Amino acid sequence: KNEVEQSPQNLTAQEGEFITINCSYSVGISALHWLQQHPGGGIVSLFMLSSGKKKHGRLIATINIQEKHSSLHITASHPRDSAVYICAVSGFAGGGADGLTFGKGTHLIIQP
Amino acid sequence: GAGVSQSPRYKVAKRGQDVALRCDPISGHVSLFWYQQALGQGPEFLTYFQNEAQLDKSGLPSDRFFAERPEGSVSTLKIQRTQQEDSAVYLCASSLDPGYGYTFGSGTRLTVV
Repeated sequence: KNEVEQSPQNLTAQEGEFITINCSYSVGISALHWLQQHPGGGIVSLFMLSSGKKKHGRLIATINIQEKHSSLHITASHPRDSAVYICAVSGFAGGGADGLTFGKGTHLIIQP
Repeated sequence: GAGVSQSPRYKVAKRGQDVALRCDPISGHVSLFWYQQALGQGPEFLTYFQNEAQLDKSGLPSDRFFAERPEGSVSTLKIQRTQQEDSAVYLCASSLDPGYGYTFGSGTRLTVV
């Protein structure tokens, strides 16, 4: 079983701040996903990573395969970024036929 | 359709009642997954279909839970004799191929009273 740990669990920041959310996992994977979940809403896939770094707008995701660690960064944060950010991994033995194993999520609040 | 559609969005059931939750995946998506998300927790895997074949049901918590995808498109998750611990958001995700990522539905929030 893959243990997926996220930190912090809760984060409150001021508008404009640079945000970092971390994710670590215990077993080698084929891909790591960063997902966004708004209250009462569904899950939106932000990134799927297997190596290196990806950028989309103000969001940047990095992964270090050797260290089994990934980070999600938000630059120039805005109140609309407030959501739960979930790290999930796939592609390992026991992962439910390429299903995802999820972390518990990081609850981010950006205050104006 | 353009996305994964789940219905109903909200369901309140009396304990002991049977419920059926529907997932309509993106057309052509071969893989379909069901997840259960308890309040304040990350989603947990329930079951996986490849077309109409249920290849993994190891996450189903009890024999009261049953899922089907008879024609390889729409899937139904059925919970018999609901219990309070079944209260959760049930998420459906589909994928053309997991190597290309997943698209999630908005979920069904089930409350058992």
